[in-house]
Amino acid sequence: GDSVTQMEGPVTLSEEAFLTINCTYTATGYPSLFWYVQYPGEGLQLLLKATKADDKGSNKGFEATYRKETTSFHLEKGSVQVSDSAVYFCAHTSGGNQFYFGTGTSLTVIP
Amino acid sequence: GAVVSQHPSWVICKSGTSVKIECRSLDFQATTMFWYRQFPKQSLMLMATSNEGSKATYEQGVEKDKFLINHASLTLSTLTVTSAHPEDSSFYICSARASGFTDTQYFGPGTRLTVL
Repeated sequence: GDSVTQMEGPVTLSEEAFLTINCTYTATGYPSLFWYVQYPGEGLQLLLKATKADDKGSNKGFEATYRKETTSFHLEKGSVQVSDSAVYFCAHTSGGNQFYFGTGTSLTVIP
Repeated sequence: GAVVSQHPSWVICKSGTSVKIECRSLDFQATTMFWYRQFPKQSLMLMATSNEGSKATYEQGVEKDKFLINHASLTLSTLTVTSAHPEDSSFYICSARASGFTDTQYFGPGTRLTVL
């Protein structure tokens, strides 16, 4: 069935380090792919999305490319900041009600 | 745009009481809203899908008589946890899908429920 697998955390990086959080998915049809971010004590915020193969979503320095051949949507950022510390969720939907979320990856950026 | 609010942001109640949580789409109409539950350090679990003017659709294992959902308007859905018990303590998050846009969901800030 449909699912999302993302790398387990926690991830701890120094400020200005390069970030990669891996995400792969299984889906029927042609899903839209998302990254959401959750700051402590808050709900989820949409970080970026891609709706078709080879699309690149980007926002706030984060990027992810929809790779159909590898069923992946890895999140990257070239230089993380302390303010990026949060939990990141990869998700997909095929346009219906069901959103499939990964288990989340906690990121801590230290000065 | 696409702001979803929840009220209250946190609530503490005694065991056996009922708690109502509101979810509002502030600047768009949402024909469909969703209720999720999140346990500490875990992902979101979809509880139910709420369509305006019709009965909610519950996921397997979710007790519909315990978690009452009402979606009375295009901007408001409510979740009532009836006869709450300590095991119902959790973070409840709603999301809304704008009319005409079928993929992106916008999430509320969540409600922290603690049942004593």
